[in-house]
Amino acid sequence: DIVLTQSPALAVSLEQRATISCKTSQNVDNYGISYMHWYQQKPGQQPKLLIYEGSNLASGIPARFSGSGSGTDFTLTIDPVEADDIATYYCQQSKDYPNTFGAGTKLELK
Amino acid sequence: EVQLVESGGGLVQPGRSMKLSCAASGFTFSNYGMAWVRQAPTKGLEWVATISYDGSSTYYRDSVKGRFTISRDNAKSTLYLQMNSLRSEDTATYYCTREDFDYSSSHWFAYWGQGTLVTVSS
Repeated sequence: DIVLTQSPALAVSLEQRATISCKTSQNVDNYGISYMHWYQQKPGQQPKLLIYEGSNLASGIPARFSGSGSGTDFTLTIDPVEADDIATYYCQQSKDYPNTFGAGTKLELK
Repeated sequence: EVQLVESGGGLVQPGRSMKLSCAASGFTFSNYGMAWVRQAPTKGLEWVATISYDGSSTYYRDSVKGRFTISRDNAKSTLYLQMNSLRSEDTATYYCTREDFDYSSSHWFAYWGQGTLVTVSS
């Protein structure tokens, strides 16, 4: 299985930049596309797609969110952070089955 | 508006069965692969199973293979998950998701239902 590693938590101040990393145990690129996706989950709610294929912003998601990276190293950036962004963020790969998620990074206010 | 509404969760004893349903609306159901993703209490997300748009292909995580069956009825725009021989470790909120895709075979979980809680306990 492809293992995705995320830091458990990140403390950030409002209006600052948050950088959340995700490292994979194997290359998740294929045909020049990164099979890496990012989700946001707030307490008591279902997850919401933010970024697909490494850097594509999902419909309705503010441009404060961006994704980058390739191969085995990926980053979700929120700039600037707003109060509504306090949540847990998950990366997920769809290169291979089983599709796997990172353990999540909880974004907290400093 | 895309809507996915799960039902069928609840309390079930170990070893027993349960069937989840997901009613889809707001899109052409038969054009999309669908998946179940679960989340144990206070834990992270875990992919469970995927079914292709026409039901011809299915994929399962190893821990549910042989016990769970994903299926769909395109005429009813409904996704199912039949769960047999349930174990305590299957306790989780089960989310129905729509898989969006491109022609490189990449896919992602674009829409999620609100989830249905399955508790396996005696």
